[in-house]
Amino acid sequence: GQQVMQIPQYQHVQEGEDFTTYCNSSTTLSNIQWYKQRPGGHPVFLIQLVKSGEVKKQKRLTFQFGEAKKNSSLHITATQTTDVGTYFCAGPDNAGNMLTFGGGTRLMVKP
Amino acid sequence: KAGVTQTPRYLIKTRGQQVTLSCSPISGHRSVSWYQQTPGQGLQFLFEYFSETQRNKGNFPGRFSGRQFSNSRSEMNVSTLELGDSALYLCASSLYGGGTGELFFGEGSRLTVL
Repeated sequence: GQQVMQIPQYQHVQEGEDFTTYCNSSTTLSNIQWYKQRPGGHPVFLIQLVKSGEVKKQKRLTFQFGEAKKNSSLHITATQTTDVGTYFCAGPDNAGNMLTFGGGTRLMVKP
Repeated sequence: KAGVTQTPRYLIKTRGQQVTLSCSPISGHRSVSWYQQTPGQGLQFLFEYFSETQRNKGNFPGRFSGRQFSNSRSEMNVSTLELGDSALYLCASSLYGGGTGELFFGEGSRLTVL
């Protein structure tokens, strides 16, 4: 079945440093979604990318969808303590029936 | 508008018991998906209901079941609980379901099996 992998699993950064998490799917995706889960919270939708090579920005967050639509990345510029949490990517299966989530990247920021 | 509501938020059961969890989606959303979240396995898809029909099912044993009512509220049931069922159970609602569109998650029901 479809697999969605994320690296790294964990990342410690100093506040102000940049952070990137990478997402790879075993199959071509029609779209990819990103979610953020704060410690003790629930996943919250950040963005959906649909087009090959698409790049979208949300303030300090930059999301990219690969040309082959099998990989994606989330880059945070100048991290802040409010960025702490686990970032998940998720993509639909081939039939578009369900979302498969990556294992997540847990970001910790030292003030 | 009101978000996704899950009840109960916390519960403790013993092995062999059964549990029923409830989820009220955002008004107007017809799709409800359930996910199990554990530290080791991440977010695992359980099943999705759309207009009272189970549309998709993940790779979980038959002890895990669910249903959806005409008002889109959904319940999931786990019978003959095992220690490994301890997890955060998250419900997510969306307009169309499937793999498209934003999922709105509830705060989850944290189940501990002793």
